Amino acid sequence: DIQMTQSPSSLSASVGDRVTITCRASQSIRTYLNWYQQKPGKAPRLLIYAASSLQSGVPSRFSGSGSGTDFTLTISSLQPEDFATYYCHQSYSPLYTFGQGTKLEIK
Amino acid sequence: EVQLVESGGGLAQPGGSLRLSCAASEINFRNAWMSWVRQVPGKGLEWVGRIKSKTDGGTTDYAASVKGRFTISRDDSKNMLFLQMMSLKTEDTGLYYCVAYVSYWGQGTLVTVSS
Repeated sequence: DIQMTQSPSSLSASVGDRVTITCRASQSIRTYLNWYQQKPGKAPRLLIYAASSLQSGVPSRFSGSGSGTDFTLTISSLQPEDFATYYCHQSYSPLYTFGQGTKLEIK
Repeated sequence: EVQLVESGGGLAQPGGSLRLSCAASEINFRNAWMSWVRQVPGKGLEWVGRIKSKTDGGTTDYAASVKGRFTISRDDSKNMLFLQMMSLKTEDTGLYYCVAYVSYWGQGTLVTVSS
């Protein structure tokens, strides 16, 4: 199975900050990488697909980059509603896998 | 608006079975690759398995933790997805989500495996 490792596991930041979350795959997944946001009690929401494509309706402050094994999710200017847990997800291999999650908290 | 509605969760004994269903609407279900993802409350997401569209072969893949015990199937005539769970273990407890493509998620159905 392809292992997905996110860092950091948790992060404290302030409204207006620029935040970057990284995700590393144990082998190349080309650009078959998706990012999700999950708030307590809610289903995950797709933010970015194919490493860098913004899902319809997602604010442009969210962006994704990377290919191969190393990927990043960037939030350019944190808003109050962005405090949540973020997951990366690979859909390259027949057996999909998720990262362990990054919890973004208010400083 | 795409809707995915899971049902069939509940309490099961270790060694028992459950069948989850997912009803899809406002989506081209026939062409969708459908997945099940589970989450222990307060923990991370775990991919359970996926079924491809029949036009792409209709094949299934499963996480190692459920392979041989869980079976995913679909009824394209009714826009329905199923997860048959057998030989349940306490570690199968969690909220089970139905996912279409990688984009659309249901709200989940809770499965509790306990004696």
